[in-house]
Amino acid sequence: EAGVAQSPRYKIIEKRQSVAFWCNPISGHATLYWYQQILGQGPKLLIQFQNNGVVDDSQLPKDRFSAERLKGVDSTLKIQPAKLEDSAVYLCASSLGTASVEQFFGPGTRLTVL
Amino acid sequence: GDSVTQMEGPVTLSEEAFLTINCTYTATGYPSLFWYVQYPGEGLQLLLKATKADDKGSNKGFEATYRKETTSFHLEKGSVQVSDSAVYFCALYNQGGKLIFGQGTELSVKP
Repeated sequence: EAGVAQSPRYKIIEKRQSVAFWCNPISGHATLYWYQQILGQGPKLLIQFQNNGVVDDSQLPKDRFSAERLKGVDSTLKIQPAKLEDSAVYLCASSLGTASVEQFFGPGTRLTVL
Repeated sequence: GDSVTQMEGPVTLSEEAFLTINCTYTATGYPSLFWYVQYPGEGLQLLLKATKADDKGSNKGFEATYRKETTSFHLEKGSVQVSDSAVYFCALYNQGGKLIFGQGTELSVKP
């Protein structure tokens, strides 16, 4: 069974530029999550989707971050414009449903903002 | 709010040494508890879990017991290997359906 796929694996941009990350969850998983992992910290949830609807985006900085999951399968997370403090690993995870305790994580995208 | 606290790293051990990584939590009700491992350059992998008090999760020689009375879920392994070098995260799944992580503990095992 294929795992959660993410691309790109690494991205370096200058501040004020925009960037987008892509995630394809495990087939059949209805719930998709985006986490931000700053160096030396645990992952923190940014947004959670159930199919193509947003369940929780309370921790998403909506002035610069946006995410979509238009067809209820893959998802894109965008940052525009990026700030230095956005440097982090962005992890995508998926689970069978919102009641599923176990989440499966992708390899992450390491973003460096200069 | 709900939170997870792990012992600070890095932890450096010699091969075949005994490992303990402490984890305590604060949460309403009875959360499920997890240990995730992150090898260099890779994503998080579930190592083990426990869903109720006194449950013991185990995998690949690692064990952790859900202790409700001390709100703890310490990770142990009797004999570590160089290949166990990674960052270990303790996490809880709370009543609100959120996965909350500790800050991670880096383990380095020397031959």
